[in-house]
Amino acid sequence: TQLLEQSPQFLSIQEGENLTVYCNSSSVFSSLQWYRQEPGEGPVLLVTVVTGGEVKKLKRLTFQFGDARKDSSLHITAAQPGDTGLYLCASEPLYGQNFVFGPGTRLSVLP
Amino acid sequence: NAGVTQTPKFRILKIGQSMTLQCTQDMNHNYMYWYRQDPGMGLKLIYYSVGAGITDKGEVPNGYNVSRSTTEDFPLRLELAAPSQTSVYFCASSAMPGQTYEQYFGPGTRLTVT
Repeated sequence: TQLLEQSPQFLSIQEGENLTVYCNSSSVFSSLQWYRQEPGEGPVLLVTVVTGGEVKKLKRLTFQFGDARKDSSLHITAAQPGDTGLYLCASEPLYGQNFVFGPGTRLSVLP
Repeated sequence: NAGVTQTPKFRILKIGQSMTLQCTQDMNHNYMYWYRQDPGMGLKLIYYSVGAGITDKGEVPNGYNVSRSTTEDFPLRLELAAPSQTSVYFCASSAMPGQTYEQYFGPGTRLTVT
């Protein structure tokens, strides 16, 4: 089973600050997804990255897939309280149907 | 379009009791999943189904059972509840797999076993 590690585990910042969270594995990802989960809700997909070196932007969120496809990062510019939540990365398998989720980074953006 | 719905939202069980967590999706997805989420542990796959009548074990299936009689419904059964099953349970569904496919999650069921 491919294990995913995420860092930091917790992050508390002030509104307007920038931040980066990371997702790493000892194995190569076929592709990688980032989800955000708000309290009391299920995770919601933010983005899927497939190609090594790929960069995707979603408004103030920038997602990067490492060249070797073993790591990914999520950068948030000018964080807002609405960005508060649990950010999960998930590895999509080449074969089969079983996603593997990382433990998540819990982000708190204070006004 | 309701997406994935789960009932109940909350439940407290005594040790040894049984219950069924309900999950329904209206997106005509073939693939459905049950996860549990423990604090700081991410999501662990319990069971999944690739279509009506077909189910398979995930990473943590012990103590649970599932069935898939229709495309829409994928109930999760706990036969003899144990404190270790205290968790938040999420049901999800996805369309036919390809290189990239999104899982749609329900709002979760928070279960406490005392």
